[in-house]
Amino acid sequence: SYEVTQPLSVSVALGQTATITCEGYNIGSQNVHWYQHKPGQAPVVIIFRDHNRPSGIPERFSGSNLGNTATLTIHRAQLEDEADYYCQVWETSVVFGGGTKLTVL
Amino acid sequence: QLQIQESGPGLVKPSETLSLTCSVSGGSIRSSDYFWGWLRQPPGKGLEWVGSLFYDGRSYYNPSLKSRVTISIDATKQEVSLKMTSTVAADTALYYCARHWPVGYCNGGSCPRGRFDPWGPGVLVVVSS
Repeated sequence: SYEVTQPLSVSVALGQTATITCEGYNIGSQNVHWYQHKPGQAPVVIIFRDHNRPSGIPERFSGSNLGNTATLTIHRAQLEDEADYYCQVWETSVVFGGGTKLTVL
Repeated sequence: QLQIQESGPGLVKPSETLSLTCSVSGGSIRSSDYFWGWLRQPPGKGLEWVGSLFYDGRSYYNPSLKSRVTISIDATKQEVSLKMTSTVAADTALYYCARHWPVGYCNGGSCPRGRFDPWGPGVLVVVSS
């Protein structure tokens, strides 16, 4: 079965740029979606189909997908960006990455 | 604005059937534009897809759960139901219902390649005797 791998944790200084990767074989040929999940809240999609932002999601969030790596980039990281982030793809079934805990220092 | 609310018993005994309901308001559940999905998050672990159902009855399930899971729609009640048989402690999780957007085509119809958006707040189910 298809697998995608995310780093367990990423730290970023306040106001700096954080990057979270999602690695999988030829993931660049898939549609990748990214979710932000805060404790006690439902997950929220922040990037869909590689690089599209839903309305209401700050422009600080961006996505790319090429080769074997999809990347979520958070510019000018804020304290409220602390959360778990998940990538999701479809490869004969829905697959989620294991999640990345983002800490803003 | 679409609203989703999960409900069901918070405690299920091992080997029994887990039954959850997802109530949808603010939009037709019968829309040909979307799937409806169930997902879960065990305590301290990541998100896991359970399965998704299209309004016409076409279903897709997580291969690891397929033998135990059934998702169905009651369009008159605007509800999506999840049934999971032969439960074990590992089925303890926060269960979410979400609209699942299709992208492209596969297996003769719309393909559940898209995002889950929006999600309900979730319902905690504990499998324990």
